Amino acid sequence: GESVGLHLPTLSVQEGDNSIINCAYSNSASDYFIWYKQESGKGPQFIIDIRSNMDKRQGQRVTVLLNKTVKHLSLQIAATQPGDSAVYFCAESPGGSQGNLIFGKGTKLSVKP
Amino acid sequence: NAGVTQTPKFQVLKTGQSMTLQCAQDMNHEYMSWYRQDPGMGLRLIHYSVGAGITDQGEVPNGYNVSRSTTEDFPLRLLSAAPSQTSVYFCASSYSTGSTGELFFGEGSRLTVL
Repeated sequence: GESVGLHLPTLSVQEGDNSIINCAYSNSASDYFIWYKQESGKGPQFIIDIRSNMDKRQGQRVTVLLNKTVKHLSLQIAATQPGDSAVYFCAESPGGSQGNLIFGKGTKLSVKP
Repeated sequence: NAGVTQTPKFQVLKTGQSMTLQCAQDMNHEYMSWYRQDPGMGLRLIHYSVGAGITDQGEVPNGYNVSRSTTEDFPLRLLSAAPSQTSVYFCASSYSTGSTGELFFGEGSRLTVL
């Protein structure tokens, strides 16, 4: 079956550096993608989303890039802070909505002070 | 604003017991769903509802029942618990399935089946 996956299960960065978390998807019908952040003991929290008619979308300190040619999604976090330490999930929606999402397995980001 | 509230936060069951995980949201969201999260597996959709009186199956529905009698509540029932159902369960809601708005998650319910 088709699935969403992540290139790196763990990522360790120095405080102040930029972080890049990658995600590969295989469902060519997916046209909506979302990044979630999950802190220990809490539920996932929406970070940013992007539709397939866009290549890039920026938020506050975060940027999502979508490369449909190679089916790749990335989350860039600028000036990473200790509070950014969490597990990050990418998710895709073949139906184009948030309703029925297929989640990746997650990448753990650790920020060193 | 409480958002999405799940109860209980922790539960231990014996194999064969039944129980209900409660989920309530106070945001007047039409869409609600249940996910389970297992180590190394990400989140998998169990059941979802696009409005009161309407439910449908997700990726892993076996062993679970749901109902949606009101907009606010979406309980998840385990009729006969099995060790394979040991997991962390998350309820989520969104104001519309066709929107690009946020999917709000609860804090999770950690279930252990012995």
